[in-house]
Amino acid sequence: NFMLTQPHSVSESPGKTVTISCTRSSGSIASNYVQWYQQRPGSAPTTVIYEDNQRPSGVPDRFSGSIDSSSNSASLTISGLKTEDEADYYCQSYDSSIHVVFGGGTKLTVL
Amino acid sequence: QVQLQESGPGLVKPSQTLSLTCTVSGGSISSGGYYWSWIRQHPGKGLEWIGYIYYSGSTYYNPSLKSRVTISVDTSKNQFSLKLSSVTAADTAVYYCARAGSTTMTFDYWGQGTLVTVSS
Repeated sequence: NFMLTQPHSVSESPGKTVTISCTRSSGSIASNYVQWYQQRPGSAPTTVIYEDNQRPSGVPDRFSGSIDSSSNSASLTISGLKTEDEADYYCQSYDSSIHVVFGGGTKLTVL
Repeated sequence: QVQLQESGPGLVKPSQTLSLTCTVSGGSISSGGYYWSWIRQHPGKGLEWIGYIYYSGSTYYNPSLKSRVTISVDTSKNQFSLKLSSVTAADTAVYYCARAGSTTMTFDYWGQGTLVTVSS
């Protein structure tokens, strides 16, 4: 199986742009879709990006996703940061046996 | 709107079996197209996929937990269940049930989560 590695934490100021990376340890990042979830304290995760770069209805277009085969990683970019974006973010993918893998999570601080 | 709700004991003794049920409303497990899943989160830690079941009964488990996990489905009650045997304090976590689309593997609906503590 493979691992998804995320930075433990990132911080940025309101109004700025932040990018959270998710690096796949083996196998191609492009082989299987990557999803991103936002989790606020005490709540279940919610989807902010699915299928690498698709936004569910209701998620602002300040959220975008991409994959980069050269670095074998996926990225979540949040522009025009708001204090309400402060949360934990998790990437998620799966393997050919449809076993699910989550990244370790990134704590976003908006200060 | 699909809703999922976990239920079960909040306290389990070491070496016993943890049992949880997820009741689905607003959608039928039997309609197909989704994997009905269990995910857990240790206190202050990240998400860990436990496994999922298709309405047909096909199951997929996290290899690290496979020897202790059983997921089953009761389509007549629109419920699916988790059993985790031989628990230890390391199994103390918030347990979520969730639905994943079979084509996108996106977890689009989640239960609120239930804290299960393993302690004597």
